[in-house]
Amino acid sequence: DTGVSQDPRHKITKRGQNVTFRCDPISEHNRLYWYRQTLGQGPEFLTYFQNEAQLEKSRLLSDRFSAERPKGSFSTLEIQRTEQGDSAMYLCASSLDEGGDYGYTFGSGTRLTVV
Amino acid sequence: QKEVEQDPGPLSVPEGAIVSLNCTYSNSAFQYFMWYRQYSRKGPELLMYTYSSGNKEDGRFTAQVDKSSKYISLFIRDSQPSDSATYLCASTGNTGFQKLVFGTGTRLLVSP
Repeated sequence: DTGVSQDPRHKITKRGQNVTFRCDPISEHNRLYWYRQTLGQGPEFLTYFQNEAQLEKSRLLSDRFSAERPKGSFSTLEIQRTEQGDSAMYLCASSLDEGGDYGYTFGSGTRLTVV
Repeated sequence: QKEVEQDPGPLSVPEGAIVSLNCTYSNSAFQYFMWYRQYSRKGPELLMYTYSSGNKEDGRFTAQVDKSSKYISLFIRDSQPSDSATYLCASTGNTGFQKLVFGTGTRLLVSP
């Protein structure tokens, strides 16, 4: 197992364009999380999935953001009509249920720059 | 006020020094406390976690939690240049790991 994989590593887009990021979690992990990290700050929670069900969404996740996890495997995070304030590192993480692994395994992130 | 506060640093120490990194938190519901290490352009990597108050040791790293003062510490003994990174503390409540609340991270620089 190669850990949590995120694609692309970097994305530069023009303001107003739509972007989509992909996350492939560790195969046996049934929980998947999205976080956003801006320069000089810690990661901030966006949303999480238990299998294919999206169980919690942060108020940070505006209507322009949507996340999916079809079939409980990989996940996608889409940002519509990007704004300069969306520029950040988008981190995906996965974990087992509470009774298993304690703590997340993070991917290396997708760095988004909106110009 | 943020739920988890952390001095952003940078903290510069010579190789071999003992490093003390600290966080404070405000949410009394927090029960799990973690330390993550993040190298530049990488995702955070879990170093240690503790449940409730107490100490936990793993090699050169020791984590301490004092719930009475809402204080979280990470000590690094015999620091190495390879320890140079940003260290993030994080906390979550009894409901498990649905949502971690992170501090801003402290940047540590260990010089040879």
